[in-house]
Amino acid sequence: NAGVTQTPKFQVLKTGQSMTLQCAQDMNHEYMSWYRQDPGMGLRLIHYSVGAGITDQGEVPNGYNVSRSTTEDFPLRLLSAAPSQTSVYFCASSSDRGRNEKLFFGSGTQLSVL
Amino acid sequence: DAKTTQPPSMDCAEGRAANLPCNHSTISGNEYVYWYRQIHSQGPQYIIHGLKNNETNEMASLIITEDRKSSTLILPHATLRDTAVYYCIVRVDSGSARQLTFGSGTQLTVLP
Repeated sequence: NAGVTQTPKFQVLKTGQSMTLQCAQDMNHEYMSWYRQDPGMGLRLIHYSVGAGITDQGEVPNGYNVSRSTTEDFPLRLLSAAPSQTSVYFCASSSDRGRNEKLFFGSGTQLSVL
Repeated sequence: DAKTTQPPSMDCAEGRAANLPCNHSTISGNEYVYWYRQIHSQGPQYIIHGLKNNETNEMASLIITEDRKSSTLILPHATLRDTAVYYCIVRVDSGSARQLTFGSGTQLTVLP
């Protein structure tokens, strides 16, 4: 039972570098999303997808790109990393868009940008 | 968007019931109340959700007041592993975006 798998668990970048945070789920969920969590704060939605080929922006999308070529994968790309992007990133998925919706979260990627 | 208010921290003795309150006075009639918890920087974990009726599952009970302006999450027999940050969330549908707006939550510490 893998659920939602995020890689890497830890990453250190220099300002201006690019990288991709990977997220994969094996539950055949249509809905996937990315959140970031800063120290002492709740989670903020970055981008989300309601199915393969469909993505949209959340609350804090600037500096991030996403794509959804398959149901299973939803990578998050940092184009030019900035210190303000130092955070813990969580990927989540769910199947039911109705009243029984439950989000399943990955274990997170801790990113530091120097 | 309906916002929630939770106490920043609470303590509970192991084996006793933990009652976590949440105020959501601006909630709309079709908005659900969700509870998640986050244990030591792990990914949040779904606990329970409800609309207007009380709900119970294997993890917890959710009591929603009749006017729906507040709710209480009850962990009937708290254990040390229940120490976590508990988030009370009102589910907002923004077009096709099912946004969960996480506030700062309640840090529950279960004491031995």
